[in-house]
Amino acid sequence: ETGVTQTPRHLVMGMTNKKSLKCEQHLGHNAMYWYKQSAKKPLELMFVYNFKEQTENNSVPSRFSPECPNSSHLFLHLHTLQPEDSALYLCASSQEMASGADQETQYFGPGTRLLVL
Amino acid sequence: KQEVTQIPAALSVPEGENLVLNCSFTDSAIYNLQWFRQDPGKGLTSLLLIQSSQREQTSGRLNASLDKSSGRSTLYIAASQPGDSATYLCAVGSNAGNNRKLIWGLGTSLAVNP
Repeated sequence: ETGVTQTPRHLVMGMTNKKSLKCEQHLGHNAMYWYKQSAKKPLELMFVYNFKEQTENNSVPSRFSPECPNSSHLFLHLHTLQPEDSALYLCASSQEMASGADQETQYFGPGTRLLVL
Repeated sequence: KQEVTQIPAALSVPEGENLVLNCSFTDSAIYNLQWFRQDPGKGLTSLLLIQSSQREQTSGRLNASLDKSSGRSTLYIAASQPGDSATYLCAVGSNAGNNRKLIWGLGTSLAVNP
């Protein structure tokens, strides 16, 4: 166990549904991330939160909406998804240092396997 | 734009072999390089992290090297075991504007046969 949990582990949804993915970290970290992993593609960083503030949004479609209510929890709200959004969605956390200092590694959850029909 | 390439894409070896996985990157201005392992249907586990000021890191049977000037890293696995079977991912820490982010390779799928 890495100290990062994700629920649900598997999700099947229709294109008109609304669902949410949940991530929780028990490591006391100050940064959390959402990644998308699709077959034959490198991991794609979707969103980054540092100290609960969103610091990065990599041109992700608005049908994906992140929420970070506190430094331990991260959500990804999904609505009107497309079949090409089917993928493994990974959450990660890390302890971010001051700029210029050595960077720590990221700890990943097990992922949510999403299938959009 | 930073690009990360991993060779080979897949590798199958008999148990006990020593093996090398390769990772190359196009921009040498990195702040670290990491190797991760991913088992089927699961998340990623960090194996080794090399800061930009370091040349190598070792953990058990694993040794990772970093040569920033040539844009290369290798992951050496000694005396491979069936439990080493997994996908190994290389991620390069790059400065993108004011943000730091990891740029990922596609991975090497390793099968160690008993």
